[in-house]
Amino acid sequence: GQQVMQIPQYQHVQEGEDFTTYCNSSTTLSNIQWYKQRPGGHPVFLIQLVKSGEVKKQKRLTFQFGEAKKNSSLHITATQTTDVGTYFCAGAGSASKIIFGSGTRLSIRP
Amino acid sequence: DVKVTQSSRYLVKRTGEKVFLECVQDMDHENMFWYRQDPGLGLRLIYFSYDVKMKEKGDIPEGYSVSREKKERFSLILESASTNQTSMYLCASSSSGGETQYFGPGTRLLVL
Repeated sequence: GQQVMQIPQYQHVQEGEDFTTYCNSSTTLSNIQWYKQRPGGHPVFLIQLVKSGEVKKQKRLTFQFGEAKKNSSLHITATQTTDVGTYFCAGAGSASKIIFGSGTRLSIRP
Repeated sequence: DVKVTQSSRYLVKRTGEKVFLECVQDMDHENMFWYRQDPGLGLRLIYFSYDVKMKEKGDIPEGYSVSREKKERFSLILESASTNQTSMYLCASSSSGGETQYFGPGTRLLVL
């Protein structure tokens, strides 16, 4: 069945450093979504990518969707303490079923 | 703003008890979902529903059942709770056209 792998599982960075999380699907996706879950909170939708090769930016966050629509990445430039949390990708594949990645937990040293 | 509410934030039950987790959304969404979240495993889909009285099994439905008698309410039922069902349970909803999911605050269930 469809699988969505996300790496790394954990990332600990110094404040101001960049951060990237990667998402890979075993099958071609119709779209991919990214969510952020703050510690003690629930996942909150960040963005959806639909087109092959699409790149979207939200301030210091850059989201990319691969040309083959099987992988995606989220890059944060110059991390801040407010970026702490777990970032999930969620791929929509066949029959509009959405599969969540296992998440990347970001922690930051002030 | 979409609001998804869950009946309890924290719940402690004993092995063998029947447990009801309730979820209500106020945006007239057609789709509703139940996930459990465990460290290192991300979000795993238990059951989902695309319409009233309709339900579909997700990836890990064993030990669970659901009920959707009204559009705004989706209930998760643990018929006989077991310790391996200790987890965070998240409910989500989405509209029929879009796939963006809106999550409730979660219920942290401890089964002793």
